[in-house]
Amino acid sequence: QVQLVESGGGVVQPRRSLRLSCAASGFTFSSSGIYWVRQAPGKGLEWVALISFDGSSKDYADSVKGRFTISRDNSKNTVSLQMNSLTPEDTAVYYCVRDGNFYDTSGYMHGAFDMWGQGTMVIVSS
Amino acid sequence: DIQMTQSPSPLSASVGDRVTITCRASQSISNYLNWYQQKPGKAPKLLIYAASSLQSGVPSRFSGSGSGTDFTLTISSLQPEDFASYYCQQSYSIPPTFGPGTKVDIK
Repeated sequence: QVQLVESGGGVVQPRRSLRLSCAASGFTFSSSGIYWVRQAPGKGLEWVALISFDGSSKDYADSVKGRFTISRDNSKNTVSLQMNSLTPEDTAVYYCVRDGNFYDTSGYMHGAFDMWGQGTMVIVSS
Repeated sequence: DIQMTQSPSPLSASVGDRVTITCRASQSISNYLNWYQQKPGKAPKLLIYAASSLQSGVPSRFSGSGSGTDFTLTISSLQPEDFASYYCQQSYSIPPTFGPGTKVDIK
């Protein structure tokens, strides 16, 4: 079954840490860039972090830079997001997302988020 | 960062209506524009990539157009299952940024 499954969400106090995991199956995980995208309650979508297919390249949204760390283990088909120094503003559903490669009619490659996990809720509250 | 805006929001429509949602980028992004549909409590779903290419399995009543800074998503005949929120997203540069979303609700 082709899917991404997140885990690790929950309720955590401010300034504490949480680690999210994403397990992939049914596709060639080691060929895919993976993103974390979050959605605060009633709000829009916000990119959080990305990791390249081989883990050599990582990037973070300014809002989480220095606090969050993304990593992957291609031998286990998993991606993790270590979240430290959490604040109430980090409260959201966190989605693990595959960056699919597509080609337009001119032959140029495009990235698009073609596979999403079901999401895991993180609530930061005292 | 490239800023994305959408209009209108919300959008009230009836079954069978032709619906058009507009997305605008703060700078030219060529055709590096994707559209997603999200229903309440569910993850977003890719509808359109590269501004106008239909993702596999998506009904042909959905179409996209545009280039540069201005883009549109059109639903040719709105169906009951199309009442949802729609987001545009630029893939031209990092960070990938989303529009604020357009909620399509029942008139």
